[in-house]
Amino acid sequence: DAGVIQSPRHEVTEMGQEVTLRCKPISGHDYLFWYRQTMMRGLELLIYFNNNVPIDDSGMPEDRFSAKMPNASFSTLKIQPSEPRDSAVYFCASSQRTDLYGYTFGSGTRLTVV
Amino acid sequence: GDSVTQMEGPVTLSEEAFLTINCTYTATGYPSLFWYVQYPGEGLQLLLKATKADDKGSNKGFEATYRKETTSFHLEKGSVQVSDSAVYFCALPRIQGAQKLVFGQGTRLTINP
Repeated sequence: DAGVIQSPRHEVTEMGQEVTLRCKPISGHDYLFWYRQTMMRGLELLIYFNNNVPIDDSGMPEDRFSAKMPNASFSTLKIQPSEPRDSAVYFCASSQRTDLYGYTFGSGTRLTVV
Repeated sequence: GDSVTQMEGPVTLSEEAFLTINCTYTATGYPSLFWYVQYPGEGLQLLLKATKADDKGSNKGFEATYRKETTSFHLEKGSVQVSDSAVYFCALPRIQGAQKLVFGQGTRLTINP
């Protein structure tokens, strides 16, 4: 299994531009999570899905952020318009039974907004 | 909901030293407990876990015992290597049986040769 695959690994964009981050979870994993990591705030859960349905989006910072999961093998996190304070590493993770096995994380997307 | 408190870092040790990173939790019932490790520039990886009280998880020379009496899950290694330099996170489900994890703030470990 290739694990959780995220793209791109690095993204540099100008303030005001739209940014789309992509994630392919492990096949058979019913849960998908989007996290943001910064030095100041540590790991923050943004949103998670179960069977492609958003369950909890209370961590999404504001309306500029949106996430979708059109099918079991693909999810996107979109920021429009982007701002410098969105600069962070964004992680996607998936799980089958978190309470027993935990998550598997992707390698992350390092986003820099200039 | 459940929560976890980790030892504050950073922690700096010399190679071959003994390592302990403390983790205590607050939980209803006996949820699974996890340690994750994040190497520089990478995502978090599951290091070890324990799914019930008194279980010991182990991997790569690291160990942690699920102690319900002290509500702790301290991470230990008898002889650390430079390659163990990373950030370590303790975690548990938000509530028992939940699919969302709660993470500690992370402990940065640096091992000097």
